[in-house]
Amino acid sequence: DAKTTQPPSMDCAEGRAANLPCNHSTISGNEYVYWYRQIHSQGPQYIIHGLKNNETNEMASLIITEDRKSSTLILPHATLRDTAVYYCIVHVQSGDFNKFYFGSGTKLNVKP
Amino acid sequence: NAGVTQTPKFQVLKTGQSMTLQCAQDMNHEYMSWYRQDPGMGLRLIHYSVGAGITDQGEVPNGYNVSRSTTEDFPLRLLSAAPSQTSVYFCASSYLSGNEQFFGPGTRLTVL
Repeated sequence: DAKTTQPPSMDCAEGRAANLPCNHSTISGNEYVYWYRQIHSQGPQYIIHGLKNNETNEMASLIITEDRKSSTLILPHATLRDTAVYYCIVHVQSGDFNKFYFGSGTKLNVKP
Repeated sequence: NAGVTQTPKFQVLKTGQSMTLQCAQDMNHEYMSWYRQDPGMGLRLIHYSVGAGITDQGEVPNGYNVSRSTTEDFPLRLLSAAPSQTSVYFCASSYLSGNEQFFGPGTRLTVL
């Protein structure tokens, strides 16, 4: 699976949109982009995933560039409870589970 | 549903001791996996299973054994604990390889 590059940390004001970038320049055509987050020391929590088209659910939106080499996770109205480490992962959905890499992620700090 | 449960929550071992970390899920998921997370780092895959009786190695399998005799349970065995195995261990399950993974609350292990 392709590896991802994320900034180590970002700040966001409470109530504003948080835009978390991820680079995956070596992504293959059948690899999905997944986002998880980990609040404090809890187990990671699934947020969203997508292949080509932009996706939206009750938690966030996922914007994937046309060439699929990068993506952005958008939290539309960040709250203090969104402070967490956010992981961007690329993975073949039916492929070798062995290659589901979490990496180091982005620490999002939401400030009052 | 209880989701994914892990026991114990905390454990202290002496070097050379063996123990089993328990993981159970009640969602009838085929895929289960074990990760470890060292301080300030992302999760690394230890072992995974794609169904009862089928297991495979992840990124960091040395020093750990797994078995999957039922769909519900996926125990992780430390054969001879070493200080390098001090970490937080997370168990996860999903319906398929690329589906949302549900994580347990973690087991915090210290090896002296």
